[in-house]
Amino acid sequence: SQQGEEDPQALSIQEGENATMNCSYKTSINNLQWYRQNSGRGLVHLILIRSNEREKHSGRLRVTLDTSKKSSSLLITASRAADTASYFCATESGNNRLAFGKGNQVVVIP
Amino acid sequence: DAGITQSPRYKITETGRQVTLMCHQTWSHSYMFWYRQDLGHGLRLIYYSAAADITDKGEVPDGYVVSRSKTENFPLTLESATRSQTSVYFCASSQVGTGAYEQYFGPGTRLTVT
Repeated sequence: SQQGEEDPQALSIQEGENATMNCSYKTSINNLQWYRQNSGRGLVHLILIRSNEREKHSGRLRVTLDTSKKSSSLLITASRAADTASYFCATESGNNRLAFGKGNQVVVIP
Repeated sequence: DAGITQSPRYKITETGRQVTLMCHQTWSHSYMFWYRQDLGHGLRLIYYSAAADITDKGEVPDGYVVSRSKTENFPLTLESATRSQTSVYFCASSQVGTGAYEQYFGPGTRLTVT
């Protein structure tokens, strides 16, 4: 069963705006990861946040994790056309496997 | 630096036929994974392997067989393909299978079963 559930499912924004995606999960986790998938390509790892971390930054990406609410958010600041992609959250709960959400489709309009 | 490759990239096969999807990685990662991606379902784990000769079922293993005789290869076989196995298949590898490390994905194989 799908552990992560992203919200919203689809997002369309203007270049330069910020994009925020949310992910919720049901069971306790060791860490949560975000991946990007460009059309017709494989997934690419973006960022990992451990269960004892609350916030993490990587370039224009900011991830937060609230284990009490079992939710995470991914913020992309100053979006670019190249950020157009699907974004997936994935949780790891100690069984050496990742459970992926259904994905968020983000379209950045130039 | 090939990384992780999959072959074929596209495959059309008929119902009932056996088909094997290949996955090869050059990093000597211990863990390898097979996922299928379908609209509305995201990525679902089919099988994974912690090392050569060690494999285990994922979320949707029925109708699939895997083997791992060498660390770098992890083929996925559909023993008797069905239309419901039409999907995009991704292979991935990771250095340490605790999930604390990122997974590296191949480009995918688009399989159509007619």
